[in-house]
Amino acid sequence: NAGVMQNPRHLVRRRGQEARLRCSPMKGHSHVYWYRQLPEEGLKFMVYLQKENIIDESGMPKERFSAEFPKEGPSILRIQQVVRGDSAAYFCASSPLQLGDNEQFFGPGTRLTVL
Amino acid sequence: KQEVTQIPAALSVPEGENLVLNCSFTDSAIYNLQWFRQDPGKGLTSLLLIQSSQREQTSGRLNASLDKSSGRSTLYIAASQPGDSATYLCAVRSNYQLIWGAGTKLIIKP
Repeated sequence: NAGVMQNPRHLVRRRGQEARLRCSPMKGHSHVYWYRQLPEEGLKFMVYLQKENIIDESGMPKERFSAEFPKEGPSILRIQQVVRGDSAAYFCASSPLQLGDNEQFFGPGTRLTVL
Repeated sequence: KQEVTQIPAALSVPEGENLVLNCSFTDSAIYNLQWFRQDPGKGLTSLLLIQSSQREQTSGRLNASLDKSSGRSTLYIAASQPGDSATYLCAVRSNYQLIWGAGTKLIIKP
């Protein structure tokens, strides 16, 4: 059973470009969470999605950021018109159920560098 | 609002020593607490998960305890090795979010 997969592992964008980060949850998991780790800072929750639904996006910046988890395919975190402050590691996690005691399993992360 | 604090922020000890890392949280209404390891520029390795109904978990040289009433967890590392050098992160699950501490950067000197 493959773990959580994220791609690309490293992404370089110039200011103003778009970044698309993909997350494939573990098999049988229908809940996806995105976290961001800014340089020299702790991880912060961004968004929680179920298939075709955004459950909580309270941690997402109000502009330029969006996330989706379609019925088929991976979850996508999209950042439009990237700025240098978006440079960070973005981690995706998945769990089989929403229940609080379920463990969240993490992917290897995508490191975004904005030039 | 849940806040997670890790002390110390950095720790350097000689190889072979036993050590304790601390994590505290402000709201005792948690589902579970998890300890992770992160190597520089790398991903997250889950070390131990303690459910809210549990008091401790052990894996090899690692032992994590949880005292919900006082809002504290400790990670005990026995017989430390240079390969244990990394940043150790504590995260508590409140509702469906993980709330993270800033981490303890551990250096084990050969």
